[in-house]
Amino acid sequence: EAGVAQSPRYKIIEKRQSVAFWCNPISGHATLYWYQQILGQGPKLLIQFQNNGVVDDSQLPKDRFSAERLKGVDSTLKIQPAKLEDSAVYLCASSLGRITEAFFGQGTRLTVV
Amino acid sequence: SQELEQSPQSLIVQEGKNLTINCTSSKTLYGLYWYKQKYGEGLIFLMMLQKGGEEKSHEKITAKLDEKKQQSSLHITASQPSHAGIYLCGAEGLERQGNLIFGKGTKLSVKP
Repeated sequence: EAGVAQSPRYKIIEKRQSVAFWCNPISGHATLYWYQQILGQGPKLLIQFQNNGVVDDSQLPKDRFSAERLKGVDSTLKIQPAKLEDSAVYLCASSLGRITEAFFGQGTRLTVV
Repeated sequence: SQELEQSPQSLIVQEGKNLTINCTSSKTLYGLYWYKQKYGEGLIFLMMLQKGGEEKSHEKITAKLDEKKQQSSLHITASQPSHAGIYLCGAEGLERQGNLIFGKGTKLSVKP
């Protein structure tokens, strides 16, 4: 069974630039999560999708972050414009139902300079 | 809001030594999850504990949840370089179910 795929693995951008991350969940997984993990911190949930609908985006900085999951499969997370404090690993996870049964992707490491 | 405190923040041990990582919750846990993460990569699920006093083992790693369900420990016996990484405890958020709350992690280094 293929795992959660994320791309790119690494990205370096200058502040005020835009960036997008892509996630392909495990086939059949209805629930998809994006987490942000700043160095030295635990992951923090940014947004949760159930199929193509948003379940929880209360911690998503909506002035600069956006996410979509068209057709309820792949998802993209965008940052526009990026700030230095956005430097982090962005983790995508998917599950059939509960987060406690989720599988995590390898993450995208973003460095904003 | 619910918080998970992990200790120590980092740990360096000699290969072959035993070690323990602790995770303490500010509220009663209804499920405690341990993950391992290689630096800058995704999370690998290790174990889940749900019942007070529960203990689970996998290879040389043992996790326990105390009777009050507010503290968990992860014990590694005879550590190996392959055990190196960041260990994270997580719990389902009480305020927003479906959201995993994580501790800040414990960075483990194992010296050969």
